[in-house]
Amino acid sequence: DVKVTQSSRYLVKRTGEKVFLECVQDMDHENMFWYRQDPGLGLRLIYFSYDVKMKEKGDIPEGYSVSREKKERFSLILESASTNQTSMYLCASSFDRVTSLGRGYTFGSGTRLTVV
Amino acid sequence: SQKIEQNSEALNIQEGKTATLTCNYTNYSPAYLQWYRQDPGRGPVFLLLIRENEKEKRKERLKVTFDTTLKQSLFHITASQPADSATYLCALANQAGTALIFGKGTTLSVSS
Repeated sequence: DVKVTQSSRYLVKRTGEKVFLECVQDMDHENMFWYRQDPGLGLRLIYFSYDVKMKEKGDIPEGYSVSREKKERFSLILESASTNQTSMYLCASSFDRVTSLGRGYTFGSGTRLTVV
Repeated sequence: SQKIEQNSEALNIQEGKTATLTCNYTNYSPAYLQWYRQDPGRGPVFLLLIRENEKEKRKERLKVTFDTTLKQSLFHITASQPADSATYLCALANQAGTALIFGKGTTLSVSS
C-alpha cells in the first residue's frame, strides 16, 4: 500500500523556534506538496515541488521555506515560528503533475503544530 | 481569481437516504474536478476524478456529475450509512495546472 509518512502527529514549539516538518513518500512520485488546514479556511497550498531541488511557491508561502534534496523527502521549514502558524500541516504527493490520469493526491496523516 | 464553494458546511441525513453535496467554482474552466473524503484528524483520501467531457461518473454507491455550463459538480452517496459520516472536499487544478486547490468541505453526518 502506498504511503506518505509525516514524521510527527503532534508538535508543540515556542515562538521564534526554527521548526522542521518532514514528509517521506514511498511511491516514487515526482510531485510533492505542503498544505495547511485551518477551520473555516480549508486547505491552503504553501509550497510544492515537482522535482528534486525544485520548489514553487503556493498561495501562502510567507514565513515558510522547503527543501527537497531527495525525491522521496520533502521538508517544510518554519524559519521563526509564530502563533499564527499554529495549524494542521498536510503533506501530499502525486504521480502526475496535473493528475490527469485519475490517481489523485495521496496525503499523509498530518502534523498538528501548536506554537506557544 | 479562482474560487471554489461548497455551499453547505454541514449536512445531516438519515441512514438509507441519498446525500447530495454541491461544489461550485468561478473564474475558471477546469479540465477535471476531484472529490476527497477526510475523517477527523486524518489526511484527505482521493475518491473520484471527473473530466470536463464526462457528464457523470460512478463508483459503487458514489456518483459524481460535472456541469461545465453551470460550473458545478454534484456528489451523491446513495443508501448512505453512518460510516459515510466524514468531511467531503472538492478540488480542481489551479490555472497553471501545477497543484490542486480545495473547497472548504461539507461535513456529512448520517444518523441511524
